[in-house]
Amino acid sequence: GEDVEQSLFLSVREGDSSVINCTYTDSSSTYLYWYKQEPGAGLQLLTYIFSNMDMKQDQRLTVLLNKKDKHLSLRIADTQTGDSAIYFCAETKNNAGNMLTFGGGTRLMVKP
Amino acid sequence: DGGITQSPKYLFRKEGQNVTLSCEQNLNHDAMYWYRQDPGQGLRLIYYSQIVNDFQKGDIAEGYSVSREKKESFPLTVTSAQKNPTAFYLCASSIAGQKSFYGYTFGSGTRLTVV
Repeated sequence: GEDVEQSLFLSVREGDSSVINCTYTDSSSTYLYWYKQEPGAGLQLLTYIFSNMDMKQDQRLTVLLNKKDKHLSLRIADTQTGDSAIYFCAETKNNAGNMLTFGGGTRLMVKP
Repeated sequence: DGGITQSPKYLFRKEGQNVTLSCEQNLNHDAMYWYRQDPGQGLRLIYYSQIVNDFQKGDIAEGYSVSREKKESFPLTVTSAQKNPTAFYLCASSIAGQKSFYGYTFGSGTRLTVV
């Protein structure tokens, strides 16, 4: 199976909070990342978290890391239609320098 | 501004043709990567290069070739041996060697269609 797993799809109403979840397998990962991909575009780095942190907040984005369960989540507060995109989580592989392993992506659909 | 540029944005290939996708970066990154993305799918690694004049196969290298003659450039050739090349191709770059929080910088992608 994949090293990094995400659910495929999430649908929310505009103004609600969105929570996108990710599980990973490499307990020695140093950094974990969230990327956003809008239709027909490349991936854009949204945020990252260092493995010795439990939480990181950046405006509407909150990242939670549970190292015991190897679970990463991205919460988007007050979700807007412009947040509709595919969200990828990624981890650094042990002893692989800066190489990242990506999850399969979660498509977020925001309904007006 | 520093960045990573992929060209062309759209590319059409006839059956049996080789085509080359361009990827150029001016970020002074050592490492560069090529990914393939099919509709509704995640990213699959084709090739990567950690240093000039060296590159490694990824998970789906068959039917593709690359070169890394310059630090700034990592072109991808889709050969006629690739039987199902229609996909969205993404190039990325990063600092190699030591771990950092920078992650990857991605280009805007090339959509390749077989006609």
